[in-house]
Amino acid sequence: KAGVTQTPRYLIKTRGQQVTLSCSPISGHRSVSWYQQTPGQGLQFLFEYFSETQRNKGNFPGRFSGRQFSNSRSEMNVSTLELGDSALYLCASSQGQLEGTQYFGPGTRLLVL
Amino acid sequence: GEDVEQSLFLSVREGDSSVINCTYTDSSSTYLYWYKQEPGAGLQLLTYIFSNMDMKQDQRLTVLLNKKDKHLSLRIADTQTGDSAIYFCAVNTGYSSASKIIFGSGTRLSIRP
Repeated sequence: KAGVTQTPRYLIKTRGQQVTLSCSPISGHRSVSWYQQTPGQGLQFLFEYFSETQRNKGNFPGRFSGRQFSNSRSEMNVSTLELGDSALYLCASSQGQLEGTQYFGPGTRLLVL
Repeated sequence: GEDVEQSLFLSVREGDSSVINCTYTDSSSTYLYWYKQEPGAGLQLLTYIFSNMDMKQDQRLTVLLNKKDKHLSLRIADTQTGDSAIYFCAVNTGYSSASKIIFGSGTRLSIRP
């Protein structure tokens, strides 16, 4: 079974721009979660989607948003980029059931200049 | 709020056992994870344990859970140079494994020859 895939792997943007990151979960997984990893803050939960609905949300500003499609693929969008948004963005998928567990993709490394 | 703590660094001699410790605060956590992250890579799920278990063994890995003290440990037997990485302890905070996961800051394991 193919693992979680994320595109693009690397991205350079400038302040004020917006960015869209994509995540394809493991086949059959219906839950997708997004995390931000920075040296200063570590791994922080952004949000989780299940069956196209946001089910959980972390403590990030409204500039960070996401969505999930009917095929469980998910996108996250960051608008009005700030320097502090430079990070590794990780996506994880799970079956979404009580017995499932989360498997992570390789991440998208975003650099904001 | 919920918190997961672990020491930042651990250095062991090749062939010895490594023990990485973690404490958490959310007593309702049902899934407790250990992830491994190598440089430039995403998170690799090593193992996980349910809160109704005390111990789980998987080849060179042994996870011990002391639910009363909210203490989790990962023991790696016969540590090899390929085990050099950052190890993250993580726990879920919601009703299922697909809920929000809180990560520790990670323990950087280095191996001495």
